Amino acid sequence: QQQVKQSPQSLIVQKGGISIINCAYENTAFDYFPWYQQFPGKGPALLIAIRPDVSEKKEGRFTISFNKSAKQFSLHIMDSQPGDSATYFCAASIASGANNLFFGTGTRLTVIP
Amino acid sequence: DGGITQSPKYLFRKEGQNVTLSCEQNLNHDAMYWYRQDPGQGLRLIYYSQIVNDFQKGDIAEGYSVSREKKESFPLTVTSAQKNPTAFYLCASSMFGPSTDTQYFGPGTRLTVL
Repeated sequence: QQQVKQSPQSLIVQKGGISIINCAYENTAFDYFPWYQQFPGKGPALLIAIRPDVSEKKEGRFTISFNKSAKQFSLHIMDSQPGDSATYFCAASIASGANNLFFGTGTRLTVIP
Repeated sequence: DGGITQSPKYLFRKEGQNVTLSCEQNLNHDAMYWYRQDPGQGLRLIYYSQIVNDFQKGDIAEGYSVSREKKESFPLTVTSAQKNPTAFYLCASSMFGPSTDTQYFGPGTRLTVL
């Protein structure tokens, strides 16, 4: 049973465009929602994370939008660049628990020049 | 230079053999994790450990074993009981406790069964 559902599976965006990746969850006990970026053959690296007390968090070109009532959160990459081409994973966890992260299935982003 | 190291980067195993993947961290993190990554399935938790000499099964522990004798080290053994071990294995670590949720990942080990 997938605790966090992620879409789309793959995404192709023109350079300069906006990339949007969506995730949904069911467990209302989740209170930490990170996004990880993974390049081929490498381990995932934390990109940006949000807690449910805010609806949006922005770091540079990356923004997380969070909708607590809908149990959804999304990653927006503004002015997408070819260097952003990677696989992106959303995840969720319960901060007071064992810090176990439940990952989405990943989105392979390709930014074409 | 702080971080997580995994070795080897590539590992080939014959069917019926046990192999051990190494994971070491010098971040002074309490918790360590092993994930398996397969195409189209994201990351799935194999085992995790919050403290030395203690570990818990994750979602797909069958055919795997771990030990945590030192805070810095969390080796994973893939046993011959694991039916389909070919995958990319990732080790991670984090501080344990509220507001310290970030997991830091190593570079991974790609295991191929011949």
